[in-house]
Amino acid sequence: SQKIEQNSEALNIQEGKTATLTCNYTNYSPAYLQWYRQDPGRGPVFLLLIRENEKEKRKERLKVTFDTTLKQSLFHITASQPADSATYLCALYFQKLVFGTGTRLLVSP
Amino acid sequence: GAGVSQSPSNKVTEKGKDVELRCDPISGHTALYWYRQSLGQGLEFLIYFQGNSAPDKSGLPSDRFSAERTGGSVSTLTIQRTQQEDSAVYLCASSQRVGLAGGPVETQYFGPGTRLLVL
Repeated sequence: SQKIEQNSEALNIQEGKTATLTCNYTNYSPAYLQWYRQDPGRGPVFLLLIRENEKEKRKERLKVTFDTTLKQSLFHITASQPADSATYLCALYFQKLVFGTGTRLLVSP
Repeated sequence: GAGVSQSPSNKVTEKGKDVELRCDPISGHTALYWYRQSLGQGLEFLIYFQGNSAPDKSGLPSDRFSAERTGGSVSTLTIQRTQQEDSAVYLCASSQRVGLAGGPVETQYFGPGTRLLVL
């Protein structure tokens, strides 16, 4: 069956460190993959998109990698700040957009 | 407004009653999704409308749930004979497939959600 897996345990890191979140998928051949941020009480907000033929994408302190052989995307936040604390969801496009369950990131001062 | 709106923002109902949740997508967006999110959980896909195509209802949890999209715009999610396990946040998102150099992409824009509590 098709699955999108993100670590259900929260990731706790110290301010200034790099946060790395993982998205693994099985039985999909997505045309592209997206990352969204969700704050408590709000809907997810789009952050970045990476296509199947791209290895890496950057936007300010954010970096996304996409390995279609490993069927994995990594989402990095460098120089993390407490304001980066949120839940981050990956989403794959395959006939329609499908979301992972998200990983909660907590950045401590 | 420029974003996706949902109403009501909060709804408290008694077990067994019917509820209707409304979503106003971004004007011109052809795709509309409904999701359910229980406390601390991920997004649970419910239903997907794309243009004039038949909706993808594969995520609806039971026949108590139904949704309509009138005129390709506003959508209503109806839950009949509500149960306590229906309590959750119901999120709506709309999107438009945009043609870019590398191929078309679709990005979802979410509404603020309707918080449903079934007593």
